[in-house]
Amino acid sequence: NAGVMQNPRHLVRRRGQEARLRCSPMKGHSHVYWYRQLPEEGLKFMVYLQKENIIDESGMPKERFSAEFPKEGPSILRIQQVVRGDSAAYFCASSPAASVAGYTFGSGTRLTVV
Amino acid sequence: QQPVQSPQAVILREGEDAVINCSSSKALYSVHWYRQKHGEAPVFLMILLKGGEQKGHEKISASFNEKKQQSSLYLTASQLSYSGTYFCGTGAPADSWGKLQFGAGTQVVVTP
Repeated sequence: NAGVMQNPRHLVRRRGQEARLRCSPMKGHSHVYWYRQLPEEGLKFMVYLQKENIIDESGMPKERFSAEFPKEGPSILRIQQVVRGDSAAYFCASSPAASVAGYTFGSGTRLTVV
Repeated sequence: QQPVQSPQAVILREGEDAVINCSSSKALYSVHWYRQKHGEAPVFLMILLKGGEQKGHEKISASFNEKKQQSSLYLTASQLSYSGTYFCGTGAPADSWGKLQFGAGTQVVVTP
């Protein structure tokens, strides 16, 4: 039973390019969460999705960032026109149901903007 | 608003005990604890759902005081493998059901 799969593990983008981060939740999990982590800091909530629905995007910057979790396929976190400040580790987590079970985290995508 | 963790860091000798605290300004319905080793994903340790509930994982246990909106994680007879950064994640009725806010983390270093 594969865990949460994130790819790519490492992503380098030049300023102004687009970054696409993918997350496939654990089998049977329908809730996906994205968090951003800067070096030596905690996990900052970005967005919470269920299949075809955004439940809570209160942590997403208003511009350049978007997320989706389509009926088929992985969840995608998209960052347009990346800037140096977007460099961070982006973790995806999934759970079978909201709050009554712990999150399973993926290994993260380390985004570096040069 | 994110929960506040204390201390920020703790250094232990193998076999010693430590307590990590997590405090929220919001009413909570759940507290989760995770451990993250450097360069790796956070790993789920336990979830607490009721006031005063205690749970255990190996020699790691936790309590949740719902009235005080606080949780504590207890590392007993620490082992080298306990080194890492511990995060509490809190679920609050004021937030969307299922969403967790994480504290800044407590770095634990266990030395031989």
